Amino acid sequence: EAQVTQNPRYLITVTGKKLTVTCSQNMNHEYMSWYRQDPGLGLRQIYYSMNVEVTDKGDVPEGYKVSRKEKRNFPLILESPSPNQTSLYFCASSIGLAGGAYNEQFFGPGTRLTVL
Amino acid sequence: AQSVTQLDSQVPVFEEAPVELRCNYSSSVSVYLFWYVQYPNQGLQLLLKYLSGSTLVESINGFEAEFNKSQTSFHLRKPSVHISDTAEYFCAVSWPSGGYQKVTFGTGTKLQVIP
Repeated sequence: EAQVTQNPRYLITVTGKKLTVTCSQNMNHEYMSWYRQDPGLGLRQIYYSMNVEVTDKGDVPEGYKVSRKEKRNFPLILESPSPNQTSLYFCASSIGLAGGAYNEQFFGPGTRLTVL
Repeated sequence: AQSVTQLDSQVPVFEEAPVELRCNYSSSVSVYLFWYVQYPNQGLQLLLKYLSGSTLVESINGFEAEFNKSQTSFHLRKPSVHISDTAEYFCAVSWPSGGYQKVTFGTGTKLQVIP
């Protein structure tokens, strides 16, 4: 089954304790992205990756890091989480421009993060 | 810069009534338009998209959206809603930039279907 998986689905942590949220897709997609969803703000892009070893900042990158060492994986790293990073996080992937058109994104199920 | 505006944060509607969810965009370049739906406790999934051609696009579950370039709108409509349509709906625009795809989402509209 074609899918985007995220782990963990729920996480409660404390300020300053480093954490990683994993994202993996099995569709051989070039493009991957991280979003955070907050009430009244919709989805805001944190980082995106056009291919292996190619990443760039989205609209709200502060406090986050990413890496793309393999095509299928795109982990989100919070080196020192703070309460304002409490949010619902989504990973997404798409074929990318190699698909010949602007293709839709496939989303993971989400990770609900609470930073105390 | 490109932006998307969804003016209605919540839209309550009775079952079997028609509904329109509004989406307006602002862009200095040609964009591609999408509607995504998010059911409770799930990720987003594509509902329909406009890339080119006919300005009226339809989904498999009865929704349709019309691209209006002069009004820079991409409103989503359904003539008769069901309880199962209760969800949050996001409009999104996508455009090329530096050889890559950029995308921005609206703030979402929660559709509440009342029995």
